Amino acid sequence: DIQMTQSPSSLSASIGDRVTITCRASQSISSYLNWYQQKPGKVPKLLIYAASGLQSGVPSRFSGSGSGTDFTLTISSLQPEDFATYYCQQSYSSPRTFGQGTKVGI
Amino acid sequence: EVQLVESGGGLIQPGGSLRLSCAASGFSVTNNYMNWVRQAPGKGLEWVSFLHSGGRTYYADSVKGRFTISRDNSKNTVYLQMNSLRAGDTAVYYCARDEPYCSMTSCDVYAFDIWGQGTVVTVSS
Repeated sequence: DIQMTQSPSSLSASIGDRVTITCRASQSISSYLNWYQQKPGKVPKLLIYAASGLQSGVPSRFSGSGSGTDFTLTISSLQPEDFATYYCQQSYSSPRTFGQGTKVGI
Repeated sequence: EVQLVESGGGLIQPGGSLRLSCAASGFSVTNNYMNWVRQAPGKGLEWVSFLHSGGRTYYADSVKGRFTISRDNSKNTVYLQMNSLRAGDTAVYYCARDEPYCSMTSCDVYAFDIWGQGTVVTVSS
């Protein structure tokens, strides 16, 4: 199975900050990497597909990059509604493993 | 409107069985890949099972041999039959549609674009 490791596990940031979350795969997964946002008590929401594609309706302050084993999710200017937990997920092979999550808080 | 609605969760004793349902609207489950994902209390997301449009199925090792994913085309519904339930199966269970997206080099990057609201399964005596 492909292991997905996110860092950090949590971070504190302020409104307007640039936030970067890293996801590393245990083997190369090309661009088969997605990012999801989950707010407390809510359903996960797809943010980024195929490492860098912005899902329809997602604000442009979110961006993704990387390929192979190392990937990054960047929020260019953190907004109040962005406080949430973010998960990466590989879709290269089954099982479709998720990272452990990164909680972005104040 | 494209949506998924889960049902069937509840409190069940260890060793018991439950069948979860995921009713789709706005699209056909027959023509899409479908998944079940779960989230234990205070924990992260865990992929559970996958149903290919052609009928192939895949399972996480933690549920293999105990859970079965299936669909009823006439009802446009996907199911998760859960047997021999354990305390460790306690979670919110989500169904999710798998949609293909394009990268720079291919159009076979699948991502969960539509999620249901989730149904709670509690395994406890």
